[in-house]
Amino acid sequence: DAKTTQPPSMDCAEGRAANLPCNHSTISGNEYVYWYRQIHSQGPQYIIHGLKNNETNEMASLIITEDRKSSTLILPHATLRDTAVYYCIVRVATYSGGSNYKLTFGKGTLLTVNP
Amino acid sequence: EAQVTQNPRYLITVTGKKLTVTCSQNMNHEYMSWYRQDPGLGLRQIYYSMNVEVTDKGDVPEGYKVSRKEKRNFPLILESPSPNQTSLYFCASNVPGSLEQYFGPGTRLTVT
Repeated sequence: DAKTTQPPSMDCAEGRAANLPCNHSTISGNEYVYWYRQIHSQGPQYIIHGLKNNETNEMASLIITEDRKSSTLILPHATLRDTAVYYCIVRVATYSGGSNYKLTFGKGTLLTVNP
Repeated sequence: EAQVTQNPRYLITVTGKKLTVTCSQNMNHEYMSWYRQDPGLGLRQIYYSMNVEVTDKGDVPEGYKVSRKEKRNFPLILESPSPNQTSLYFCASNVPGSLEQYFGPGTRLTVT
């Protein structure tokens, strides 16, 4: 898996957009970018993933730079419930064996949404 | 609603008393797994299952057993729990061909 770098912490005002960056300069052509989050002691939650095009779902938007060396997760209107640790993961798209589905997190970014 | 459920959510037990943590998913996923999460050690995979009757060890399988008799259920069994198995446990199921995993709410286990 390509190495990812995220800031350890960020703050955001409630109602504003939260933009969480992730650097993955060694990403290869067949690797996807995934984002998860974990609210304290709750189960990790899948947010979004993408390969090279920007993606949007009901939770967030994912912007991947053209060279794919970095990406930004955007929560358009952050709420207090979005306070969590956010993890960026880069992983190949094919899953030939069970261990390939194993999820491992780095340190992530602690996003604190303030009232 | 698509979900993964775990029971119990909290459990305090004593060393050596067998216990089972249940896990069920309603998304018809073939792949399921168990993780434990400990402070400073992150998420570690215990066991996984590619399909019914197909299970394999993850990174930290010692002291645990699993079974997969039906696609929706994947129980975690601790035959003789020890204090070092005190942890937060998560069950997860996976969308095929993707790293899109859905986690249960967690089971906080304390072994005294």
